[in-house]
Parts: sequence; structure tokens; C-alpha cells
Amino acid sequence: DVKVTQSSRYLVKRTGEKVFLECVQDMDHENMFWYRQDPGLGLRLIYFSYDVKMKEKGDIPEGYSVSREKKERFSLILESASTNQTSMYLCASSPGGGLAGYEQYFGPGTRLTVT
Amino acid sequence: GIQVEQSPPDLILQEGANSTLRCNFSDSVNNLQWFHQNPWGQLINLFYIPSGTKQNGRLSATTVATERYSLLYISSSQTTDSGVYFCAVGPWITDKLIFGTGTRLQVFP
Repeated sequence: DVKVTQSSRYLVKRTGEKVFLECVQDMDHENMFWYRQDPGLGLRLIYFSYDVKMKEKGDIPEGYSVSREKKERFSLILESASTNQTSMYLCASSPGGGLAGYEQYFGPGTRLTVT
Repeated sequence: GIQVEQSPPDLILQEGANSTLRCNFSDSVNNLQWFHQNPWGQLINLFYIPSGTKQNGRLSATTVATERYSLLYISSSQTTDSGVYFCAVGPWITDKLIFGTGTRLQVFP
């Protein structure tokens, strides 16, 4: 079974703090993704990575950065957290290396509250 | 970009009833997945079905790629089927997924 884990289920941070959300997958997948989910707006892609040290902006990258130093780990960084970044953050991974269209698998999510 | 529409937005059923959820998308895709989001927020993979028909127990799905829609069938509903069902599609030459707004299903005993 594919397993995607996220470092925290719930997180409370203060405005202006630097926040790290960690995601690890155990299936040697090439692709990793960060989404956020908000009521009324659905799930939106923040960043994705198709290889170590490679990253691509998604639909809403502003205010976020990412890091992928190892194949199995993809980190989402909020450089200076703001209240509008209060959300559910979901990490996903999928195989890659060839034609696109692979099945994505999701982690349990991190509910981040910024006060 | 691709638009993904799901219907109905809400569905209330009694245990044992059958239901059909629909996903329409506006362009050709190389990936289509159905997910169930449980009360704790986790997205559970139900089907990877860019085309054709698949069945898994009481659930089945059909995607007609040429007509740009997919259907998820739930038979003999159980209370544990409650939650939000998402359809997500992948545009060609990309591994991104674009999500629909979901169908919220409530099954009562």
C-alpha cells in the first residue's frame, strides 16, 4: 500500500512565524504535490515537484515556498504565516518519469490555524 | 483551464438506497480519479478511471472520455458512506489534478 504521511494533523501558529509542513512518501514516487482546501474554494494546487530539487508553481504559490532535498520528502514553507493561510493542507504523491496521468495518493492532511 | 462540475452538490439517503454521482469536465484528460473524503479530512482513493468501467464492492464507476463525463454508483448505501465525494481530472501533459467542488452525501439509518 502507498503511504503518505504528514508531520502534524493539527498545528496552531502565530502571525509572522515561519512554518514548516513536512510530507513523506514511502513508494519511491517521482512526483509530490501540496494542495490547500478551503470551504467554498475546494482543493487548489500550491506547488509540485517532479524530481529532487525540482519544483513548479501551482495555481496559488504566493506566500509559500517548497523544498525537496530527498526523493521521499517534500516540505511546504510559510515564510511569514498570515491568518489567510489558515487552511487544511494536503500532500500527495504519484509515480512519474514518463507520460503524465498517474494516480495520486494523499496524506491525512494538516489543519493549520494561524492566529 | 479545465472546468470540473459535480452534481448533485448534496444528497441525503436512507441506508440501503442506491445513488449516482456525476462529474462533467470541459476538456480531454489523461487522468480521472474519484475520492471519498472522510470526516477527518483524509482523501481516500476510490477509482483511477480515465476511461472505461470499474467495480469495487458496492461501488462502481464509468468514464466516457469522448463525452467528458464520469459517473460514480453507490449501491446499498451504508452510514459509513457519508462524507464528501470528489472527482478530480488531470489535463494532458501534466501531472496536476483539478478538483470538482464535491458531492456531500449523508446516509441515515
